[in-house]
Amino acid sequence: DAGVIQSPRHEVTEMGQEVTLRCKPISGHDYLFWYRQTMMRGLELLIYFNNNVPIDDSGMPEDRFSAKMPNASFSTLKIQPSEPRDSAVYFCASSFIWRAGTEAFFGQGTRLTVV
Amino acid sequence: GDSVTQMEGPVTLSEEAFLTINCTYTATGYPSLFWYVQYPGEGLQLLLKATKADDKGSNKGFEATYRKETTSFHLEKGSVQVSDSAVYFCALNPNTGNQFYFGTGTSLTVIP
Repeated sequence: DAGVIQSPRHEVTEMGQEVTLRCKPISGHDYLFWYRQTMMRGLELLIYFNNNVPIDDSGMPEDRFSAKMPNASFSTLKIQPSEPRDSAVYFCASSFIWRAGTEAFFGQGTRLTVV
Repeated sequence: GDSVTQMEGPVTLSEEAFLTINCTYTATGYPSLFWYVQYPGEGLQLLLKATKADDKGSNKGFEATYRKETTSFHLEKGSVQVSDSAVYFCALNPNTGNQFYFGTGTSLTVIP
């Protein structure tokens, strides 16, 4: 398997524009996670899905953020409108159905810069 | 709630020095514990893990032992290399659902 695939790798956008980040999890994985990484706050969980259903979105910072998982092989994280403080690296991760020791597999991330 | 606290960085060591990165956790049950590594420009990769008390995870010369009595999972390596320069994250999964809690990360730089 190619691993978790994220696109784009880099995104530069102007404040107020809509941004869509994409993720393809590892085939067969039941869980998908979206994380945000910044110097100030470290790695934050934004939302996670189980079998395409959002389970916990308490980490989504504002209504400007939304995430969808229309099928088992694709998820999007959308920011509308974007703001400079949204600049960060966004990671998608996936894992198998839960059992002790289950690990999360991470994509390479999307570096978002909002100017 | 469940959480992980790890040593503040950055850490700078000379090649072949001994490495310890401290990690302690808070959890209500019996979590699984992990160390992830992030190389520059890349995503996080699993380095090692342990699923129960007294288990020792090991990989690439790194080791960590799950200590329930001290709620700790310290990362150690006897002789670091320049190629070990990266950011290291301690993490836990509480095993009450598939949720991962990460520490803030510790940046390690190894100089020749």
